[in-house]
Amino acid sequence: ETGVTQSPTHLIKTRGQQVTLRCSSQSGHNTVSWYQQALGQGPQFIFQYYREEENGRGNFPPRFSGLQFPNYSSELNVNALELDDSALYLCASSPKRGGNFQETQYFGPGTRLLVL
Amino acid sequence: DQQVKQNSPSLSVQEGRISILNCDYTNSMFDYFLWYKKYPAEGPTFLISISSIKDKNEDGRFTVFLNKSAKHLSLHIVPSQPGDSAVYFCAAATGNQFYFGTGTSLTVIP
Repeated sequence: ETGVTQSPTHLIKTRGQQVTLRCSSQSGHNTVSWYQQALGQGPQFIFQYYREEENGRGNFPPRFSGLQFPNYSSELNVNALELDDSALYLCASSPKRGGNFQETQYFGPGTRLLVL
Repeated sequence: DQQVKQNSPSLSVQEGRISILNCDYTNSMFDYFLWYKKYPAEGPTFLISISSIKDKNEDGRFTVFLNKSAKHLSLHIVPSQPGDSAVYFCAAATGNQFYFGTGTSLTVIP
């Protein structure tokens, strides 16, 4: 059983560019959540996908968007990058979307994005 | 707007003693609280949770206490072990909204 994997591990972009981050969920998990963790802060919930549909969103602008594929892997897309988007982006998969899904989340190691 | 706060960025404790990590929140709508543990270069892992209808939940060496009137929760680790050295995040949830604190780095000294 493989865990949650994310790619790439590190990425450098310039302001105004677009970026796509990828996440492979743990086998059997149909829910993926994305988080942004700025330096010195806790993770902030961006959104969650369940069976290819968005299932909840935190306080992030529309330029943060996502996709979930039939195999439950997921992408996070960020358009018009800003300097403040520099952060560690974590994805987490879970076998359920409701009912205290947070307990069953498995996090990946994250993608560190630097925007210059 | 930081809805979940951990005011102590770091804590050092001797092995065998009690570690107490604290967390405060502002939103009275939160109905579920969790603690996560994070080692360097790894994602957070779930440690223990508590529902807002309870005031205590225990799992082995780990106990979480919830004081709803004070909007405060704490994690007690007894006895502390060197392997407990990590960053601990508290988190609070309501519906699909989910908020983490800023983390407390715990060092257990052998």
